[in-house]
Amino acid sequence: GQQLNQSPQSMFIQEGEDVSMNCTSSSIFNTWLWYKQEPGEGPVLLIALYKAGELTSNGRLTAQFGITRKDSFLNISASIPSDVGIYFCAGRESGGYQKVTFGTGTKLQVIP
Amino acid sequence: NAGVMQNPRHLVRRRGQEARLRCSPMKGHSHVYWYRQLPEEGLKFMVYLQKENIIDESGMPKERFSAEFPKEGPSILRIQQVVRGDSAAYFCASSSDRNQPQHFGDGTRLSIL
Repeated sequence: GQQLNQSPQSMFIQEGEDVSMNCTSSSIFNTWLWYKQEPGEGPVLLIALYKAGELTSNGRLTAQFGITRKDSFLNISASIPSDVGIYFCAGRESGGYQKVTFGTGTKLQVIP
Repeated sequence: NAGVMQNPRHLVRRRGQEARLRCSPMKGHSHVYWYRQLPEEGLKFMVYLQKENIIDESGMPKERFSAEFPKEGPSILRIQQVVRGDSAAYFCASSSDRNQPQHFGDGTRLSIL
């Protein structure tokens, strides 16, 4: 099936630092979604992107829909301890019933 | 995660028993998706249902697993004759339309003794 490559797999950063993570696909997507999952909870939608080149912010989070439609990036500025969690990208394919595929996740640890 | 309700939050079963996981989608949502997650791993798609219809069950094992989303009531993921390897967190998500983002519940943690 469709695979999304998400990187990095995990990262340890100092509080206050900026964070970048990305997802790449072998297929063209018409939607990119970014979720955050905290321990013991379900993923929570952070940002949804619908157009190639689109740049959308949600507080300290900024995500971009890559021009090629095969990648997306999530940046977190000035990280804080509550940013800890696993960040998942998800993409919706064009055509068919537009199945959503999830990335493997980026585990973020913030050192106070 | 307000809106998508899953129960129970934790379920313990002995090998060979049946597990029934329930999911009530957000109000107004008629599309339901089930995912499985092992510790330290990502979400694996299992099945997509739209009121009374299974749209895609390509991620669901052919044996012992079944899913339904009746006209009235919650969606049910049913696992018969559970085995140790079925231990995982099972998440349900819902959307108002197949083009809209999915919203997740807090999952059911299934443990098999």
